[in-house]
Amino acid sequence: DAGITQSPRHKVTETGTPVTLRCHQTENHRYMYWYRQDPGHGLRLIHYSYGVKDTDKGEVSDGYSVSRSKTEDFLLTLESATSSQTSVYFCAISLSNEQFFGPGTRLTVL
Amino acid sequence: QKEVEQDPGPLSVPEGAIVSLNCTYSNSAFQYFMWYRQYSRKGPELLMYTYSSGNKEDGRFTAQVDKSSKYISLFIRDSQPSDSATYLCAMSPSYSGAGSYQLTFGKGTKLSVIP
Repeated sequence: DAGITQSPRHKVTETGTPVTLRCHQTENHRYMYWYRQDPGHGLRLIHYSYGVKDTDKGEVSDGYSVSRSKTEDFLLTLESATSSQTSVYFCAISLSNEQFFGPGTRLTVL
Repeated sequence: QKEVEQDPGPLSVPEGAIVSLNCTYSNSAFQYFMWYRQYSRKGPELLMYTYSSGNKEDGRFTAQVDKSSKYISLFIRDSQPSDSATYLCAMSPSYSGAGSYQLTFGKGTKLSVIP
């Protein structure tokens, strides 16, 4: 499982509430990624990080922010959740091109 | 035109059949090609990783890259019910900075192997 955990694994929340998802890795990888996966769209990159405090936007970053204050943790925040952010969120890590994924967080925004 | 095209299926085959899964792409800068397997309600799992053109074999799985045609394939021999999953292709360009390791994914092909 590449030493990746995600929490929570499931969450139901209401529109307008803030939500933070956590990705934790135990193998000191430099690169970390947040994706969302939706039917008909596949995996889409939200944000990625290439080191502590070094982050950049992906394809679908609007409405999301990230932080990485420690190598092992990469946090994804939905400042004010919307129903369009209902999705399955995956964290991934890599040393180079090969990415390894966590188990996912299933988020429902009512 | 999407950068990576992959037929979503579903594809249903009998046990023991040879399965062929394919992706086409438009970005000639792609150099690294991957296949991921994703079981229902699980994260994608890296199955095969190849660089540039050619074939790579791992047990019952063979990955093939034809850069001249911008076409990649995954073959599964002697398919088993346990191969039933969604298969995602992914690719990335050569390294040229921190963002270079971003992967572009196909949407996935759902495969069912019927006993």
